[in-house]
Amino acid sequence: QKEVEQNSGPLSVPEGAIASLNCTYSDRGSQSFFWYRQYSGKSPELIMSIYSNGDKEDGRFTAQLNKASQYVSLLIRDSQPSDSATYLCAAPLRGKLIFGQGTELSVKP
Amino acid sequence: DGGITQSPKYLFRKEGQNVTLSCEQNLNHDAMYWYRQDPGQGLRLIYYSQIVNDFQKGDIAEGYSVSREKKESFPLTVTSAQKNPTAFYLCASSMRGLTGDNQPQHFGDGTRLSIL
Repeated sequence: QKEVEQNSGPLSVPEGAIASLNCTYSDRGSQSFFWYRQYSGKSPELIMSIYSNGDKEDGRFTAQLNKASQYVSLLIRDSQPSDSATYLCAAPLRGKLIFGQGTELSVKP
Repeated sequence: DGGITQSPKYLFRKEGQNVTLSCEQNLNHDAMYWYRQDPGQGLRLIYYSQIVNDFQKGDIAEGYSVSREKKESFPLTVTSAQKNPTAFYLCASSMRGLTGDNQPQHFGDGTRLSIL
């Protein structure tokens, strides 16, 4: 089992819909999780950090962490075409950041 | 402006040549990292450094070398032993958290390396 796993997608949603991106992790000791957005040809950009169980909201983005289920998700409300990108989840482990393979999101106008 | 500067943006390597990618940060971050990304693929860790004068191999260190003589600089050399170096190279840095966990990493704009 990979330490951090994501659905590879692509995930396609219509403009204005909610996009749901999911990530599971194997290390129960992981305490924090990060979501990055990577536009095609660009470097990853940190968009959300979450450190405790529950939800964290920032504008149209909500990160959800369930440590018991070892599951973290990112919801994007009112999706826009500009949200079309690859989304990476990551967890720190043994001095490194372990990244999932990324989920490609396409928002159709 | 605080940030991570990678140079050059584009680099071409001839057969048998070593090339060095530069990464400089002025964020006062302790840890620095090098990743390789191939088209349509995820990030693969090449080398990382938690402190000056110390670094560790990542998952794909063969054919690469690094140094960490200064806190703000972490250059990556792609040696001639790396037979398939064409890729997007990303440098990142992070603070060390109080509990020892790393804080989120912040990335430079990357260097695209191609074989001539």
